[in-house]
Amino acid sequence: AQKVTQAQTEISVVEKEDVTLDCVYETRDTTYYLFWYKQPPSGELVFLIRRNSFDEQNEISGRYSWNFQKSTSSFNFTITASQVVDSAVYFCALSDSNNAGNMLTFGGGTRLMVKP
Amino acid sequence: NAGVMQNPRHLVRRRGQEARLRCSPMKGHSHVYWYRQLPEEGLKFMVYLQKENIIDESGMPKERFSAEFPKEGPSILRIQQVVRGDSAAYFCASSLGDSWNGYTFGSGTRLTVV
Repeated sequence: AQKVTQAQTEISVVEKEDVTLDCVYETRDTTYYLFWYKQPPSGELVFLIRRNSFDEQNEISGRYSWNFQKSTSSFNFTITASQVVDSAVYFCALSDSNNAGNMLTFGGGTRLMVKP
Repeated sequence: NAGVMQNPRHLVRRRGQEARLRCSPMKGHSHVYWYRQLPEEGLKFMVYLQKENIIDESGMPKERFSAEFPKEGPSILRIQQVVRGDSAAYFCASSLGDSWNGYTFGSGTRLTVV
């Protein structure tokens, strides 16, 4: 069965600090997808990234970067020079071929608070 | 090119009433998924539907909850005889098909049972 663990339930940083959100996953499948979503205080889900299991290249998008390591089953997310607008709950999610269709298994989320 | 539309955004029901949550998928998407987010928790899968078919309802509570995705019209998640524990955000997502060609969430319906 698949599982996603976000061990950090809450992180508080001061603006301009870098912060890394951890995500560890479990799956027996060799083909799977990993995701990060942002949920701001307004409540909607904002898609950030999708990564397939065959692509271990790290990715950078502006202040955001993702470190995918199959050896440790981790897909960590780093925000560089954090800003107050980054304050949100961040979810890591997994989908593998053991599911019908594209069902996602979510982690419990990490609440990030960025203080001015 | 509207995204996934969910309505209402907020719904208040008294205990024992019925709640109907609607989800219109993105144009061209024939697969719909419902997730529930209890307060301070992550999203949990409930049900996966294609037009007129329930494909996977393994996450759906056995009683009081049902879902449909008719040939015409939106997908409906129906909760009968609501209880306080049903208070949550319910998110719908749609996709083109089985492969990961796109998976879009709606803005959610926040159900409050009083």
